[in-house]
Amino acid sequence: DTAVSQTPKYLVTQMGNDKSIKCEQNLGHDTMYWYKQDSKKFLKIMFSYNNKELIINETVPNRFSPKSPDKAHLNLHINSLELGDSAVYFCASSRTPGTGDTGELFFGEGSRLTVL
Amino acid sequence: GENVEQHPSTLSVQEGDSAVIKCTYSDSASNYFPWYKQELGKRPQLIIDIRSNVGEKKDQRIAVTLNKTAKHFSLHITETQPEDSAVYFCAATNQAGTALIFGKGTTLSVSS
Repeated sequence: DTAVSQTPKYLVTQMGNDKSIKCEQNLGHDTMYWYKQDSKKFLKIMFSYNNKELIINETVPNRFSPKSPDKAHLNLHINSLELGDSAVYFCASSRTPGTGDTGELFFGEGSRLTVL
Repeated sequence: GENVEQHPSTLSVQEGDSAVIKCTYSDSASNYFPWYKQELGKRPQLIIDIRSNVGEKKDQRIAVTLNKTAKHFSLHITETQPEDSAVYFCAATNQAGTALIFGKGTTLSVSS
């Protein structure tokens, strides 16, 4: 059983297009995240949701819009794709965090987005 | 906000040697410090973690130490093997507990 699953695994698209990535977790966690990993391997937090509510938005352009229909799903929609959006996007989940303590994050397999 | 610095960025060792990766963090409210291993083309996976009420933790060939006063923590891998070759990330939770903030990663190469 896959704990955190993302689709699609690969996305190749043209600049200016709109694309979505879906994420689902079956761990019963309340908190889900989107991270971006660029070509230099840097893992940067984009969004964090707790029980369907946005709790962190790390200065991500408005072209990126996350949506959480329920606490097991967190989708990412990207409008007007740019070359700099090319990266691997990882979804992750964890139990409800405490002060200064998220607990272990469980990552999905990643979605590699290539913008031409 | 939380800032995590990680050194070195690359590390090459011979099989059987030890490897040490060091990280510093900025937010004194952080209480959770995990280490993740990412093999090429794979997802990051937790290998060991430590919380601020503990100074050291060991799991077979892997150990982590934490100095809360100095705000630094380190990963120690002993008797390295070629399958230890990967990118290792340290991380710390931000004060609000809303995210893990990662260091920039260390590429470890173990040659046989």
